[in-house]
Amino acid sequence: GENVEQHPSTLSVQEGDSAVIKCTYSDSASNYFPWYKQELGKRPQLIIDIRSNVGEKKDQRIAVTLNKTAKHFSLHITETQPEDSAVYFCAARGGGADGLTFGKGTHLIIQP
Amino acid sequence: ETGVTQTPRHLVMGMTNKKSLKCEQHLGHNAMYWYKQSAKKPLELMFVYSLEERVENNSVPSRFSPECPNSSHLFLHLHTLQPEDSALYLCASSPTGSMNTEAFFGQGTRLTVV
Repeated sequence: GENVEQHPSTLSVQEGDSAVIKCTYSDSASNYFPWYKQELGKRPQLIIDIRSNVGEKKDQRIAVTLNKTAKHFSLHITETQPEDSAVYFCAARGGGADGLTFGKGTHLIIQP
Repeated sequence: ETGVTQTPRHLVMGMTNKKSLKCEQHLGHNAMYWYKQSAKKPLELMFVYSLEERVENNSVPSRFSPECPNSSHLFLHLHTLQPEDSALYLCASSPTGSMNTEAFFGQGTRLTVV
């Protein structure tokens, strides 16, 4: 089955700086890679996703890159703000499986 | 609200009790999922239902028993649980189970086994 590794587990950045979270996956047949944000006590919510036919996708301050050859994908947040503080999960799906396989999560802390 | 509702929000049960978690979605989706979220562990996929048929079971202990009576409702029946089963149980749905589309999560049931 799919295995997703996510790093770092905790990331602290100054407000206004950029944050990068990286994930690797094991199943070369995976073709869908979403990122979820989970605030304390709340449900995970999709913030951006990418499919295997593109290498990069951007939505305002958030971007995701995908390298299918190396089997890794990354989340980039620019001009970080206090409300970006949360736990971020990467996930992968494909290769015949219907459910998403998640990484362990990254606790992003934005320092004022 | 994302249209996926879970009840109860919190549940405390003894190891000999039998309880059920309920999930309901009004998004017209055909696939529903149960995930377990424990501290410092990734979201673990437990069960997948697509068009009311179970399509994936990731070796979940038999003390967890899912039920999907229709495409809008999903249950997780619990019996003789262990303290290590204490976690946040999240339900999710997506338009289909075979296409690469977003999964919408409910707010979860915080389960404590004593």
